[in-house]
Amino acid sequence: AQKITQTQPGMFVQEKEAVTLDCTYDTSDPSYGLFWYKQPSSGEMIFLIYQGSYDQQNATEGRYSLNFQKARKSANLVISASQLGDSAMYFCAMREAKRGSGGYQKVTFGTGTKLQVIP
Amino acid sequence: DVKVTQSSRYLVKRTGEKVFLECVQDMDHENMFWYRQDPGLGLRLIYFSYDVKMKEKGDIPEGYSVSREKKERFSLILESASTNQTSMYLCASSLKFGLNYGYTFGSGTRLTVV
Repeated sequence: AQKITQTQPGMFVQEKEAVTLDCTYDTSDPSYGLFWYKQPSSGEMIFLIYQGSYDQQNATEGRYSLNFQKARKSANLVISASQLGDSAMYFCAMREAKRGSGGYQKVTFGTGTKLQVIP
Repeated sequence: DVKVTQSSRYLVKRTGEKVFLECVQDMDHENMFWYRQDPGLGLRLIYFSYDVKMKEKGDIPEGYSVSREKKERFSLILESASTNQTSMYLCASSLKFGLNYGYTFGSGTRLTVV
């Protein structure tokens, strides 16, 4: 079973509008962390936002917010006031608390959503 | 800001060649990772290292090896490149293992094996 599911391969949004990118996850561990990364066409993955499983409030970073619904196991990224520079691939990722060799905690990435902002 | 630098943005190699992908980070991070990115498959972990000379297999280590002789440098080696290793390779580092420690990524190396 997929641990991270991003069901939207591609999305369009009008400039200045808000957009929600979906992410659902699957884990039996009560302790975990959720991340969103942005990958522009240049290739570099850029960290956007983090949400811990015990965090009471939804994470926000500027125009980015994470709509965390723990019972539904969803961690959707909301981008407000879209800009042309937001056009990119967006990846959701989960880090699980269970430790392996060297203290490694497994990180699983989704398959990504390609967002295109239309002027 | 932490920088992770990958030595090449684009590489074209022939089948059977030995290929070295280099990655250097400049902020004394303990952990380094090599991922492979393919459309529709997301990022898959090839190998990681949590200390100098320490390495562990990830999810898809077959056909790859790694080397970490210095803390700042983590090399991915394709012993005998094959066409199914044509992909985007991403190097990442993190300060420590911990739930809220994210990764810093390099810009990626797009490798084509012909």
